[in-house]
Amino acid sequence: DGGITQSPKYLFRKEGQNVTLSCEQNLNHDAMYWYRQDPGQGLRLIYYSQIVNDFQKGDIAEGYSVSREKKESFPLTVTSAQKNPTAFYLCASGGGDDTQYFGPGTRLTVL
Amino acid sequence: AQSVAQPEDQVNVAEGNPLTVKCTYSVSGNPYLFWYVQYPNRGLQFLLKYITGDNLVKGSYGFEAEFNKSQTSFHLKKPSALVSDSALYFCAVRASGYSTLTFGKGTMLLVSP
Repeated sequence: DGGITQSPKYLFRKEGQNVTLSCEQNLNHDAMYWYRQDPGQGLRLIYYSQIVNDFQKGDIAEGYSVSREKKESFPLTVTSAQKNPTAFYLCASGGGDDTQYFGPGTRLTVL
Repeated sequence: AQSVAQPEDQVNVAEGNPLTVKCTYSVSGNPYLFWYVQYPNRGLQFLLKYITGDNLVKGSYGFEAEFNKSQTSFHLKKPSALVSDSALYFCAVRASGYSTLTFGKGTMLLVSP
């Protein structure tokens, strides 16, 4: 999992609640990514950022928001508008070697 | 547009036998191809990649993959499987000039003792 940390490891959310997932990297990578993993569906891109103060929507951005105020940090907020948020969330970062490196993940469960 | 197909949900192999996990891709232009492995409740670990050059790419833990442009394939191989290789394997592709990876749905590899 290298120099990418995600917290918390497990997160429980009540209906109607916003929650924020943390992702920090010390690899000096410019690019950071958020993916959602559901059984049998592979990884789907939520948001990505190629530089500080800039980010783009991925394939499934609805109900999620991000910020990129620092190079090291790319937090993801799962809002109450996300109807089915229970999933495993993975953060990744990428540098000049064209490779993405992943954090250990956060498992979010809606109660 | 870019896409990846992993045609097998699961591959079963006996320990000591060779293993192959299949991947085919579709991109416009030159592909950048990747294999990752995931153990239960963990993040993805990078195994190997093809960007350019030799069609046979060697990676971590004895794995290798062969890029075949005419068949648009990038199958993952290992000459002798270990029980500890049992995990979920993902193939991913990025077209040159694109910013993002597209992942396949994953193939579960089960190596029996």
